[in-house]
Amino acid sequence: EIVMTQTPPLLPVTLGQPASISCRSSQRLVYSDGNTYLSWLHQRPGQPPRLLIYKVFARFSGVPDRFSGSGAETNFTLQISRVEAEDVGIFYCLQATQFPYTFGQGTELEIK
Amino acid sequence: EVQLVESGGALVQPGGSLRLSCAASGFTFRSHWMSWFRQAPGRGLQWVGNIKGDGSEEYYVDSVEGRFTISRDNAKNSLYLKMDSLRVEDTATYYCTRGMNPEFWGQGTLVTVSS
Repeated sequence: EIVMTQTPPLLPVTLGQPASISCRSSQRLVYSDGNTYLSWLHQRPGQPPRLLIYKVFARFSGVPDRFSGSGAETNFTLQISRVEAEDVGIFYCLQATQFPYTFGQGTELEIK
Repeated sequence: EVQLVESGGALVQPGGSLRLSCAASGFTFRSHWMSWFRQAPGRGLQWVGNIKGDGSEEYYVDSVEGRFTISRDNAKNSLYLKMDSLRVEDTATYYCTRGMNPEFWGQGTLVTVSS
């Protein structure tokens, strides 16, 4: 199974400042169709997760443009250009290139 | 508007069975892969399995293979998760989701396996 290693586990950020989360996979995530099925999800306390980014850098409908994804092969990054109070919660990376789908351990974003 | 509503969660004894349902609306159900994910209390997310739009393919995480079965009824826009031989470690909130990415999530239904 592909192991997803996400860092940092805890991310204290000042409101209005940028933030970055890293996700590394144990194998290349390029699928046979040429796509890379790496997604980023956000889970607020007491809520289900919601999709932010899919296929590395595609922003899902309704997601603010301050969220962006980048990366390739085995190294991926989620960037938030200016953190807002509503960003509190846990961010997860997910690979859906190979079964079983696997998640990173999560990064908890807190406001300083 | 896409909606996914899970139901069927309950308290069940180890070794018992349960069937979860997910009612889908707001999209052409038969055109989409559907998945089940779960989250144990205070823990991270885990993919459980998924099923192709026409029901012809299913995949599962090893820890549930042979015990859980995903099915769908496209005429009723419904997804199901039949869980047999339940274990304490299956205790979690189970989420129904649409798509490979996955794009939309339900609110979840809680399954507690305990004696």
